[in-house]
Amino acid sequence: DAKTTQPPSMDCAEGRAANLPCNHSTISGNEYVYWYRQIHSQGPQYIIHGLKNNETNEMASLIITEDRKSSTLILPHATLRDTAVYYCIVSPNTGNQFYFGTGTSLTVIP
Amino acid sequence: DAGVIQSPRHEVTEMGQEVTLRCKPISGHDYLFWYRQTMMRGLELLIYFNNNVPIDDSGMPEDRFSAKMPNASFSTLKIQPSEPRDSAVYFCASSPPGGGSIQYFGAGTRLSVL
Repeated sequence: DAKTTQPPSMDCAEGRAANLPCNHSTISGNEYVYWYRQIHSQGPQYIIHGLKNNETNEMASLIITEDRKSSTLILPHATLRDTAVYYCIVSPNTGNQFYFGTGTSLTVIP
Repeated sequence: DAGVIQSPRHEVTEMGQEVTLRCKPISGHDYLFWYRQTMMRGLELLIYFNNNVPIDDSGMPEDRFSAKMPNASFSTLKIQPSEPRDSAVYFCASSPPGGGSIQYFGAGTRLSVL
């Protein structure tokens, strides 16, 4: 079963930052937080992951709370192509068992 | 790199027929995963391999489903006999050595069983 809770849907204006929350209150010490997204009719795409420190790459930033019970994925300047379902997953770094849950459907509005 | 390659992209078959889905992982990756996605159940892990050996097949729904990985560059998922409830999108993913943490997905096979 998925160990995360995400809002089912969100809207974001094009060009603004999209902040997608995720609750993972039962996360274990060896579990990482991963974010994937799935654009319609495509396979899921890896975005970013982290253990306890905030992370940033060319796609997004990941903010993890100090108690690690929640995190936020930030898309700094959302574009229409960012419209997708975003999945937050917790898993050990060996990461072999991914449970995707229902994710957040993000719609970027022109 | 061409990424994970799945074939066919679409498959339409009749109930009772055998269906074989194919996957070519990214070269050098030693983990391979098969997922199924439906509206009702979302994205489910069916089975995964490490170095061509099945590690966990607890997600395979029933004996009608089988998966093989005869070598590092090829895997199949077979359904025999197929049923309408098997209609779904099937994804294959692969991961590099060191763990399955970052999985690279193929474009999927959309299966319709009539």
